[in-house]
Amino acid sequence: AQSVSQHNHHVILSEAASLELGCNYSYGGTVNLFWYVQYPGQHLQLLLKYFSGDPLVKGIKGFEAEFIKSKFSFNLRKPSVQWSDTAEYFCAVRPGANNLFFGTGTRLTVIP
Amino acid sequence: NAGVTQTPKFQVLKTGQSMTLQCAQDMNHNSMYWYRQDPGMGLRLIYYSASEGTTDKGEVPNGYNVSRLNKREFSLRLESAAPSQTSVYFCASSESQGARGNTIYFGEGSWLTVV
Repeated sequence: AQSVSQHNHHVILSEAASLELGCNYSYGGTVNLFWYVQYPGQHLQLLLKYFSGDPLVKGIKGFEAEFIKSKFSFNLRKPSVQWSDTAEYFCAVRPGANNLFFGTGTRLTVIP
Repeated sequence: NAGVTQTPKFQVLKTGQSMTLQCAQDMNHNSMYWYRQDPGMGLRLIYYSASEGTTDKGEVPNGYNVSRLNKREFSLRLESAAPSQTSVYFCASSESQGARGNTIYFGEGSWLTVV
């Protein structure tokens, strides 16, 4: 079955460490790619999105993601995390003209 | 603009009871969605409405019904609640369904417990 995979379920980092969260998808053809963040007790907010063009996209709060078409990946990165980045991160893929499909999420805990 | 608002925020139901989750958006979006979020499962689409007057099933529609009351409002109804429907429900909207360049905006969630 086609899917969105986030292999890291829970990541624990110290402040100032670098972050990379993996996202792989199995849909073929043209895809739109998204990363959403959900802070504790809050709704999902868009971090960044890729539709076309430069495969390295920059989002809010210092996050960026790189689309590698050959690897069907859209990994999220941040050079130096802060305690306030503690949240759950969801990768989402829209294949073609279809609806949005989400990964299972990665919980990030940043230790001060 | 309030964005996407949904009510109630918290609800406890007994098995077999019915209830309706209300959702409204003030962004003049054509498409609206209902998702449920469960631990380890991510978000799964229950129903969506590509435009006013249309509704379609998503990944997990069983046990739910929806109504697109008008362009602004999209309600989700549980006719006979079951413990398996204990979840966090998110309403969302976007300018149009499936079009390139569209971002989906989410409401704050409704925590539903069925006992």
